[in-house]
Amino acid sequence: SYELTQPPSESVSPGQTARITCSGDALPKKYAYWYQQKSGQAPVLVIYEDRKRPPGTPERFSGSSSGTTATLIITGAQAEDEADYHCYSTDSSGNVGAFGGGTKLTVL
Amino acid sequence: QVQLQESGPGLVKPSETLSLTCTVSGASVGIANYYWTWIRQPPGKGLEWIGNIYYSGSTKYNPSLKGRVTISIDTSKNQFFLRLSSVSAADTAVYYCARDGDSTGRGYFDYWGQGSLVTVSS
Repeated sequence: SYELTQPPSESVSPGQTARITCSGDALPKKYAYWYQQKSGQAPVLVIYEDRKRPPGTPERFSGSSSGTTATLIITGAQAEDEADYHCYSTDSSGNVGAFGGGTKLTVL
Repeated sequence: QVQLQESGPGLVKPSETLSLTCTVSGASVGIANYYWTWIRQPPGKGLEWIGNIYYSGSTKYNPSLKGRVTISIDTSKNQFFLRLSSVSAADTAVYYCARDGDSTGRGYFDYWGQGSLVTVSS
């Protein structure tokens, strides 16, 4: 099955910029999607098609993708951004989906 | 307002079959442009894509589940279903149903159920 790789944890000071990476062999050809999950809640989509924000996502959230790595960027991180972040994409055929292992973001 | 709700047993014995239902309101599972998806999350771990189904009945599955999974749909009841056979403790997880709002099923999960914890234990 297809695999996406994320760092298990990242930390950022309030007001600073957080970057969370996601690596996968098919990412040069397939979009990445990013989900925020707070404790005890279902995930929420924050970035789609590498860099687009769905309605309701704050402007401090952005995304980029280059080669085999997609990146979620939080510019001016706030305490409320502390959560687990999961990337999602599909393999090169588009038939198999996969999530990364998730990154726990600490804002301190 | 689109809502999804998982239902099914919270406890399943090893080697038996896990069965869950996702009931959808505010949207129809019988129209094109959406993929209806099952995702799970073992306690303290990351998300795992299980598979999806289109209104036509076409399915895609995670090969890591080695043929144990079946997803089906009932457009008359506006529901879709998950069956996972030969379960073990490794299948203990919160199971989510979700809508993929991308017309080609690329991963725009815009609506999720609240999740259903299924424990595999004798």
